Amino acid sequence: GIQVEQSPPDLILQEGANSTLRCNFSDSVNNLQWFHQNPWGQLINLFYIPSGTKQNGRLSATTVATERYSLLYISSSQTTDSGVYFCAVDSNYQLIWGAGTKLIIKP
Amino acid sequence: NAGVTQTPKFQVLKTGQSMTLQCAQDMNHNSMYWYRQDPGMGLRLIYYSASEGTTDKGEVPNGYNVSRLNKREFSLRLESAAPSQTSVYFCASRETVAEAFFGQGTRLTVV
Repeated sequence: GIQVEQSPPDLILQEGANSTLRCNFSDSVNNLQWFHQNPWGQLINLFYIPSGTKQNGRLSATTVATERYSLLYISSSQTTDSGVYFCAVDSNYQLIWGAGTKLIIKP
Repeated sequence: NAGVTQTPKFQVLKTGQSMTLQCAQDMNHNSMYWYRQDPGMGLRLIYYSASEGTTDKGEVPNGYNVSRLNKREFSLRLESAAPSQTSVYFCASRETVAEAFFGQGTRLTVV
C-alpha cells in the first residue's frame, strides 16, 4: 500500500520564524490533505490540495503530484501554530496518514 | 453549521463494559470513518463506510463493531472494553474522494 512519510518529525522555532514541512508519498494519489492538530487534540483542516498551490493567510501548500510530495509553508510563526501537522493521502476510499510533524513555537 | 458531531466527548469505562460512540454528519456525505489515536501517534482506521449500507474493516478492527444507521449516522460499538482500547476516537465524513471533515473526538479511558 501507499507509504506516507513526513519530515522533520520535530521542529522547534522562535516566534516569527518561517518553516517548511514535507510530505512524501510512494504512489500517485487523487487526494492530499494537510491537518493541524492543536494542543487540545482538535483536528483542523488546513488544505485539500491534490495538486498545485494554495494559500490561506500565513500558510500555503504546494503539491507536486508527479514527484509525489507536498510542502506546507508557515510564515511568521505564532505560538498558536504549535501542535502536530499531519498530511493524509487517499487510497481505496481510505485516508493514509503520515506520522506527523510536531511543531513547537517558542515566544 | 454543525459538520460532524460526536457523542460523548469523554467516557470512562470499566473493563468488560460495553458502550456505543455516536457520530452524525449534516453535510450529506456518502463516506464515514472511525479512527483511533493513541498518545503521540497518528490516526489509525478502525472501520469505514464508503456509502450507506456498506461497512468495511480498516487497520485495527478487532474489538469493535459499527453500524451505518442511515446516511447521516455511523456508530462504533465496544462490546467488552479493554484497557488497550483507551484512546481518542475520531469520526470523519467526506464525499467519497474529497476533503474529509472530523468531529471533535471522544476521549475514552478503560480502567
